[in-house]
Amino acid sequence: GAGVSQSPSNKVTEKGKDVELRCDPISGHTALYWYRQSLGQGLEFLIYFQGNSAPDKSGLPSDRFSAERTGGSVSTLTIQRTQQEDSAVYLCASSFYDYQNSPLHFGNGTRLTVT
Amino acid sequence: KQEVTQIPAALSVPEGENLVLNCSFTDSAIYNLQWFRQDPGKGLTSLLLIQSSQREQTSGRLNASLDKSSGRSTLYIAASQPGDSATYLCAVVNYGGSQGNLIFGKGTKLSVKP
Repeated sequence: GAGVSQSPSNKVTEKGKDVELRCDPISGHTALYWYRQSLGQGLEFLIYFQGNSAPDKSGLPSDRFSAERTGGSVSTLTIQRTQQEDSAVYLCASSFYDYQNSPLHFGNGTRLTVT
Repeated sequence: KQEVTQIPAALSVPEGENLVLNCSFTDSAIYNLQWFRQDPGKGLTSLLLIQSSQREQTSGRLNASLDKSSGRSTLYIAASQPGDSATYLCAVVNYGGSQGNLIFGKGTKLSVKP
């Protein structure tokens, strides 16, 4: 079946512009995650959605970052007034609710370059 | 604060060799530990998930072990092939932490030479 789909695959934007990154999780997965991977750095947790519960936003680096998940499916990560340090690969993942037994399935990511 | 370390950062081996990748973590109170592989320009692919109550998991030529008390996990790859070349990452989730907050190591970049 289809995996996690992210769009766009690449995004180049000017400093100060807003960007939206989209994630389509695997059908039936109730949990959705956003991570950021910068060159030379490990994966950095951003935000986690689980069903209808309030999301865990503890990883968002500043108030310029926000995310929503509509209808328990598609998610959009929005970065306002982008800065050069926002340049990274943004990865989305999804899983079943049974977290202890259910591995994460990742998309191929969106590579964001802020010029 | 949980820290996950992977050693070595890079490893090059000839085809056919058996090899071990190491992962250590500082806080043993974890839900589970997962091993992933990442190919260049791609997302992560889940390889094995070991629950905190388990000691090991096997899938094909891969075997992952978990020793919670010592804060260590190993990924054993038997009879390595050039197609195994990738970056391998381990990740843990702490008790009391968000289920979404996997804490990743920085990975071991494996190169298997034909």
